[in-house]
Amino acid sequence: DGGITQSPKYLFRKEGQNVTLSCEQNLNHDAMYWYRQDPGQGLRLIYYSQIVNDFQKGDIAEGYSVSREKKESFPLTVTSAQKNPTAFYLCASSRPLDTGELFFGEGSRLTVL
Amino acid sequence: AQSVTQLGSHVSVSEGALVLLRCNYSSSVPPYLFWYVQYPNQGLQLLLKYTTGATLVKGINGFEAEFKKSETSFHLTKPSAHMSDAAEYFCAVSDRRGYSTLTFGKGTMLLVSP
Repeated sequence: DGGITQSPKYLFRKEGQNVTLSCEQNLNHDAMYWYRQDPGQGLRLIYYSQIVNDFQKGDIAEGYSVSREKKESFPLTVTSAQKNPTAFYLCASSRPLDTGELFFGEGSRLTVL
Repeated sequence: AQSVTQLGSHVSVSEGALVLLRCNYSSSVPPYLFWYVQYPNQGLQLLLKYTTGATLVKGINGFEAEFKKSETSFHLTKPSAHMSDAAEYFCAVSDRRGYSTLTFGKGTMLLVSP
């Protein structure tokens, strides 16, 4: 079945450490996205990529980095510069020139100790 | 710029009662509109969407929503709530311009009591 796979589901890290969240899709979608979710704040866009080797900052990109070396993969690195990294992170993808409908993975919960 | 306002961060209903979750949007162009549902520690699942055509849209699990352009609204309803409907619901708007990015509301948590 086609879909989006995020890993790990749960992740703990110490302050000052970088951590990378994986996102893989087999839907053959061109565009991929990373959102951050905090209670009561909805979803906020971190980065998005419309094509391989290209990506754009979203609303809250500071302290995060991404790469898009393959169409299927869009990993997110939460760096030590991110001041409040504890959150639920969602990866999504969309078809080109479509309605904007997003297809989501199951999410990764990052906790900084 | 587009935006979405969901009225009420929490809505409580009894099992069997009408569910009404409110969503108002602003968009400079005719929008595409979406409702997503999220269960705890899971991703978002599409409930329904409005793109063109009929303004009353039917989705999964017995939910429906009506696009009212004059009111800039896209409220979500279900005639009879079930315990399994307890979840968080997000309304979203797209500006239809190619690789647009969805703008989400802050979400409404639906609580269903027996």
